[in-house]
Amino acid sequence: SQQGEEDPQALSIQEGENATMNCSYKTSINNLQWYRQNSGRGLVHLILIRSNEREKHSGRLRVTLDTSKKSSSLLITASRAADTASYFCATSWGGSEKLVFGKGTKLTVNP
Amino acid sequence: NAGVMQNPRHLVRRRGQEARLRCSPMKGHSHVYWYRQLPEEGLKFMVYLQKENIIDESGMPKERFSAEFPKEGPSILRIQQVVRGDSAAYFCASSPSGGPAGNTIYFGEGSWLTVV
Repeated sequence: SQQGEEDPQALSIQEGENATMNCSYKTSINNLQWYRQNSGRGLVHLILIRSNEREKHSGRLRVTLDTSKKSSSLLITASRAADTASYFCATSWGGSEKLVFGKGTKLTVNP
Repeated sequence: NAGVMQNPRHLVRRRGQEARLRCSPMKGHSHVYWYRQLPEEGLKFMVYLQKENIIDESGMPKERFSAEFPKEGPSILRIQQVVRGDSAAYFCASSPSGGPAGNTIYFGEGSWLTVV
């Protein structure tokens, strides 16, 4: 199975702290994407990182990709209560159009 | 520019009834994907369609589930004779072309099916 696995499953931090979530996967990928999901809502695309990239930034978000370890991390700096959500990584590989999602990390940012 | 539109947002069906979920992709997008999310789980791929064609249905249950994306109108995910285990959130996503290998895909807000 290609399924990604996020780590930790749940994370609780104080506002202003940084949050780091990790994702591991099993086979070679085309790209890896991170999504956010607020409770009862759809997924919001955060960042796409391609297999030949090592790091990408978007505002307070920083994503790294280590293809040798088959892992990625999502760092949210200076967290806010509004960042409270579940975060999922998703991978695609080969010629497949499918995205394979992990089970997510539930982030709680306490005010 | 409207995003991916799904309706209904919430649907309650009794066991044995049919559920129809509709998805209108973003303007200019010709590729549609359906995913299912069980409680406390990640999304699981079900089917990938282009206009009038099913490209990959490897994630679709063999029975009771079907999907279409006609030339005109929204994509439909149809679940016949629903059972309690079908209770889940069903997400539609669209992309302009090429899907995840080359492009970001955009998700709708989901349709929450509850089978009672």
